[in-house]
Amino acid sequence: AQSVTQPDIHITVSEGASLELRCNYSYGATPYLFWYVQSPGQGLQLLLKYFSGDTLVQGIKGFEAEFKRSQSSFNLRKPSVHWSDAAEYFCAVGYTGGGNKLTFGTGTQLKVEL
Amino acid sequence: DAGVIQSPRHEVTEMGQEVTLRCKPISGHNSLFWYRQTMMRGLELLIYFNNNVPIDDSGMPEDRFSAKMPNASFSTLKIQPSEPRDSAVYFCASSLGGQPPRAQHFGDGTRLSIL
Repeated sequence: AQSVTQPDIHITVSEGASLELRCNYSYGATPYLFWYVQSPGQGLQLLLKYFSGDTLVQGIKGFEAEFKRSQSSFNLRKPSVHWSDAAEYFCAVGYTGGGNKLTFGTGTQLKVEL
Repeated sequence: DAGVIQSPRHEVTEMGQEVTLRCKPISGHNSLFWYRQTMMRGLELLIYFNNNVPIDDSGMPEDRFSAKMPNASFSTLKIQPSEPRDSAVYFCASSLGGQPPRAQHFGDGTRLSIL
C-alpha cells in the first residue's frame, strides 16, 4: 500500500531564512506527488504537483519541490520564508490504478519567527 | 471561478441529533471526496464518488455515517445520531476524474461540534 511520511511534525525558521520540508513516499510504481498548504480555519490549497518530466517543479507563493526517485523523496523548498508562510503543509501521493484517491502525510506545522 | 462550496461553515448541535453537511463541487469535476480532520487522527478520507457513484466508503467510521451524491453538483454527508466523538472539521474536495490522479481542490470545511 502506498504511504507518505513527513518526518518533521514542527519546524521553526526565521523570516528570510530558507526552508526545506521533507516528504518520503513508499510505492514501487511512478508516483504522482502533491504539496498542499493549510492556513488556520481554511481548507487545503494546492501549492504544486509532480506528474512527470522535469524533476524540479515550481509552484505558487515562491515554493518549489524536487522529485528524487532514488531517495523516494519530494521535498518542498523556499529560498526565503515570509511570516505569512506560517501554516501546515501536507504532502500527498497518488498512483495509477489507485482510483483518484490521494494518500496524505500527517503534515508539518511551520512556525516563522520574526 | 467558484471553488468547492461547503455549508454550513460551523455547526453546533447536541448529541443524538441528525447532522447534514453539504458540498457543491467545482463545475466539471466528476470526482468528489469527503474527509474528516482531527488533531488525533489527522486527515482521513471517509468516502469518494466518481460520476456520482460511491467508489470507496471504507473510511466511513460506522453506520451512523452516510453520504449521497444525487447529481453532479451536490453531495451530502449525514450523521445520525451524532455523538461527541464526531466533533471534527469535515472537508469536501473535488477533482477531475480519470488517470493519473488529479489534484484535489478543497472547500473551507465545516467545523462540527457535538455537545
